[in-house]
Amino acid sequence: GAGVSQTPSNKVTEKGKYVELRCDPISGHTALYWYRQSLGQGPEFLIYFQGTGAADDSGLPNDRFFAVRPEGSVSTLKIQRTERGDSAVYLCASSPGLAGNNEQFFGPGTRLTVL
Amino acid sequence: DQQVKQNSPSLSVQEGRISILNCDYTNSMFDYFLWYKKYPAEGPTFLISISSIKDKNEDGRFTVFLNKSAKHLSLHIVPSQPGDSAVYFCAASTETSGSRLTFGEGTQLTVNP
Repeated sequence: GAGVSQTPSNKVTEKGKYVELRCDPISGHTALYWYRQSLGQGPEFLIYFQGTGAADDSGLPNDRFFAVRPEGSVSTLKIQRTERGDSAVYLCASSPGLAGNNEQFFGPGTRLTVL
Repeated sequence: DQQVKQNSPSLSVQEGRISILNCDYTNSMFDYFLWYKKYPAEGPTFLISISSIKDKNEDGRFTVFLNKSAKHLSLHIVPSQPGDSAVYFCAASTETSGSRLTFGEGTQLTVNP
């Protein structure tokens, strides 16, 4: 079956521009997560959706970052007024959201480069 | 505040020998621990997990040990194979479902033929 997919795989933009990153989770998974991975570091949590609502957005670094999941499936991470420090790999993950199992399935990521 | 730490950035072992990857955590609320493997240009892939009510979980060549009193866990791979060469991340969560994962920095494992 299809895994988590993310588009685009690479995105190069200029400082100050707006970008959108898309995530298609595994069909039927109710939980969706966004992480950011900088070079030499582990993934860092950004936001978590249970269905359509953001259950935990405490990892978003500032108000330039926003994410939506309007129909409880596809999610879009939006970054306004990008800065060079936003350059990283943005990972999306999904999970069934079942009790007793927090295995999250990751997509390949979107590599964002802000020039 | 690094709540999950992997102090060894890299580890090199010979094919057929045991690989031991270590992970320490500081948050006593963590109750579920996972290991992920990551190849270049791919997302992390789930490997094995353990609940805090257990001290060992085994799956084929992979065994995870948890020492709650020391806030330490380790991943044993035996026998190691060249295809195991990847970055291994330790991760922890505070609930057993629907919760954010806190990752360590990762350990690059190289298994030499």
